[in-house]
Amino acid sequence: KAGVTQTPRYLIKTRGQQVTLSCSPISGHRSVSWYQQTPGQGLQFLFEYFSETQRNKGNFPGRFSGRQFSNSRSEMNVSTLELGDSALYLCASSLVPGAGTEAFFGQGTRLTVV
Amino acid sequence: DQQVKQNSPSLSVQEGRISILNCDYTNSMFDYFLWYKKYPAEGPTFLISISSIKDKNEDGRFTVFLNKSAKHLSLHIVPSQPGDSAVYFCAASPESGGSYIPTFGRGTSLIVHP
Repeated sequence: KAGVTQTPRYLIKTRGQQVTLSCSPISGHRSVSWYQQTPGQGLQFLFEYFSETQRNKGNFPGRFSGRQFSNSRSEMNVSTLELGDSALYLCASSLVPGAGTEAFFGQGTRLTVV
Repeated sequence: DQQVKQNSPSLSVQEGRISILNCDYTNSMFDYFLWYKKYPAEGPTFLISISSIKDKNEDGRFTVFLNKSAKHLSLHIVPSQPGDSAVYFCAASPESGGSYIPTFGRGTSLIVHP
């Protein structure tokens, strides 16, 4: 079955702009999480959605937001982009949320803010 | 303050030998520990996990050891193969309190030489 699909794969934006990233989870998976990966850092959790509800949120400013649709697809939005937002944004899906649950990651969206 | 630390940014091993990747954590509330492998230009893929009630979990060439008193876990790969060359992330998550979001380490880059 198809894996987690993230679009676009690459994106270049200017400071102050906003951006929307998309994630289609594996069919049947209802939990979607978003992570930010920057050079030298591990994956930092952004937020998690299950059944269209945000269940958990990481320590990121309110410029970072997300949503999940009824078909489990998810989008994340970053407004008023800053240079430090340049990162690889990864989406992961799992059947259900839970500790120790295996998550399947997409290839990520590489965002560059100039 | 990093709650999950992978103190070795890189590790080089000869093919056929054992690779040992280490991970330390500080939060005693962590209940599950996971290892992910990441190839360049791909998202992380789940490798193996262990619950805090166990001290060892084995899956083929991969074994994870957990020492709760030392707050330390390690991933052993035996025998190492060139295809194992990747970045390995350690992650830990609590189960209680309604938040089970994993905290990731910064990764260890493993290079297996033929």
